[in-house]
Amino acid sequence: AQKITQTQPGMFVQEKEAVTLDCTYDTSDQSYGLFWYKQPSSGEMIFLIYQGSYDEQNATEGRYSLNFQKARKSANLVISASQLGDSAMYFCAMRAGGGGSQGNLIFGKGTKLSVKP
Amino acid sequence: DARVTQTPRHKVTEMGQEVTMRCQPILGHNTVFWYRQTMMQGLELLAYFRNRAPLDDSGMPKDRFSAEMPDATLATLKIQPSEPRDSAVYFCASGTRRDSRYNEQFFGPGTRLTVL
Repeated sequence: AQKITQTQPGMFVQEKEAVTLDCTYDTSDQSYGLFWYKQPSSGEMIFLIYQGSYDEQNATEGRYSLNFQKARKSANLVISASQLGDSAMYFCAMRAGGGGSQGNLIFGKGTKLSVKP
Repeated sequence: DARVTQTPRHKVTEMGQEVTMRCQPILGHNTVFWYRQTMMQGLELLAYFRNRAPLDDSGMPKDRFSAEMPDATLATLKIQPSEPRDSAVYFCASGTRRDSRYNEQFFGPGTRLTVL
């Protein structure tokens, strides 16, 4: 069975510092995709970054990067230079089938990030 | 800027009443998902459609929930009869393999349902 584990219910980070949000996953599929979404207090789900299981390089999108360690089955999100607007819930998710697949996402429980001024 | 729209945004109803939630996927997207978010269970899939055909509704209580896509621009999720445990935020998301951002599922703003 596929599973996403986020072990940090809450995290604090000082403004302008970097922070790493942990995510481990479990799947027997060879091809899969990993996602991070941000959910601010307004409730919307905002896509941040995607990593395919066959991608050789770690994904980056602006201040977001994904530290993908396939052997350890981890896909940690790194946010550099934290901003007050980064305070939100962050969800790690997985989809079987890799790039191009349109299957559903399986989500972790989320990590609440609070950025301190 | 194309977006997934959902109506209503908020719904308060009494136990036993029928609830209908609507979703308009992004034009051209052929895959539609319904997710439910609660504090206890987090985000979980209820159902998903591809080209309007239901592919997976195993996460949905069949006795009271039903999901349909009467046409490519409308997806509906109905609960009849509603129960207090159905109180949650219901998200619709859409995606497509033809877009350059095919790995992204675009989420709607959600419907916050409260069943008293």
